Amino acid sequence: ETGVTQSPTHLIKTRGQQVTLRCSSQSGHNTVSWYQQALGQGPQFIFQYYREEENGRGNFPPRFSGLQFPNYSSELNVNALELDDSALYLCASSLTNHHGRVEETQYFGPGTRLLVL
Amino acid sequence: DAKTTQPTSMDCAEGRAANLPCNHSTISGNEYVYWYRQIHSQGPQYIIHGLKNNETNEMASLIITEDRKSSTLILPHATLRDTAVYYCIVKLIGGGADGLTFGKGTHLIIQP
Repeated sequence: ETGVTQSPTHLIKTRGQQVTLRCSSQSGHNTVSWYQQALGQGPQFIFQYYREEENGRGNFPPRFSGLQFPNYSSELNVNALELDDSALYLCASSLTNHHGRVEETQYFGPGTRLLVL
Repeated sequence: DAKTTQPTSMDCAEGRAANLPCNHSTISGNEYVYWYRQIHSQGPQYIIHGLKNNETNEMASLIITEDRKSSTLILPHATLRDTAVYYCIVKLIGGGADGLTFGKGTHLIIQP
């Protein structure tokens, strides 16, 4: 098992609500990436946080936002939930060096399963 | 990042070697090949990665062809617990800000 933890494990929300998911990175890692995985599909990259700033973003709308804290943990916030946001949300941590280059690959947490009704 | 092509599904008998192919014909010289697997409803698990030499660790071996246009992940003695979706991913060396690009992967089923 990796040292990446996520909370909660499961969540049920209704359309239009807002949700916050949390991730603690593996010890020694300073970078957190978030992914969305719909049923039957591979994970899709949402964004990455490094040095408490968004460092890269996939094709997701602005209602998907995030934060990274000084201890490298991270939050994913989704506003105005839609039915299609129902998915497994995965967090991955990695190590980026001071030149901004990845030194160690991404290790994933167990995910948070979100159901939007 | 270069695109990868994998078979949708494969079967393998328990105890046999499972050989999972991946085509990445547009790979560039500064891109690694990574393999992850995902057991049902869990987070993806890192298996192995390589650039051009064959690699082996406690989980698997990775064989990359000389022209680097394809690779094979080998699980030497497959067990029922190896049933999972296996993803082959190509990623720029030192890159990462744009995340890992997962396809649909290969669903490997280990038969008792």
